[in-house]
Amino acid sequence: DIVMTQTPLSLSVTPGQPASISCKSSQSLLHSDGKTYLYWYLQKPGQPPQLLIYEVSNRFSGVPDRFSGSGSGTDFTLKISRVEAEDVGVYYCMQSIQLPTFGGGTKVEIK
Amino acid sequence: QVQLVQSGAEVKKPGASVKVSCKASGYSFRNYGISWVRQAPGQGLEWMGWISAYNGNTNYAQKLQGRLTMTTDTSTSTAYMELRSLRSDDTAVYYCARVQQRRLDFWGQGTLVTVSS
Repeated sequence: DIVMTQTPLSLSVTPGQPASISCKSSQSLLHSDGKTYLYWYLQKPGQPPQLLIYEVSNRFSGVPDRFSGSGSGTDFTLKISRVEAEDVGVYYCMQSIQLPTFGGGTKVEIK
Repeated sequence: QVQLVQSGAEVKKPGASVKVSCKASGYSFRNYGISWVRQAPGQGLEWMGWISAYNGNTNYAQKLQGRLTMTTDTSTSTAYMELRSLRSDDTAVYYCARVQQRRLDFWGQGTLVTVSS
């Protein structure tokens, strides 16, 4: 199985400030079809996960442009340009180049 | 709009089975797959498996093989997840999610399954 490692475990951010989450995979997520199968999800308290970013850097429908994804191969980053109160929750990265696995999660809270 | 509505909470005894349903609406059910993901209390997300609503092909996480069965009923646009020989560590919220090109894009609300004697 591909192991996904997220850092940090938690993040406390002042509203309006940026935030960044790292995700590293144990194997390259670049497929022979040219796509990189790395996703970001946000699970708000008491809710199911919601898709934010697909294939490294594509924002899903309705996701605000303050969210951006970058990276390649085995190293990926989710950035929030200006954190808002509604962004609190646990962020997960997920790979699906093989059977899907998730990172351990990064809890984001507001200072 | 795409919606996945799951069946209600269940309480089961160790050794029993549970079957959770996931009714889809707002899209052509046969054109997508369904994945199941579970989350133990206070823990992260664990992918359980996937089923094609087109032809019923499945792929299960190795640790659950032998206890897990996923099925679909295209006449009602419903997916099912059955887990047998339940243990206390199967206590979790179980989610279904639509699969489009390997991404899990829309999720059900979750079903809490509690395994307790």
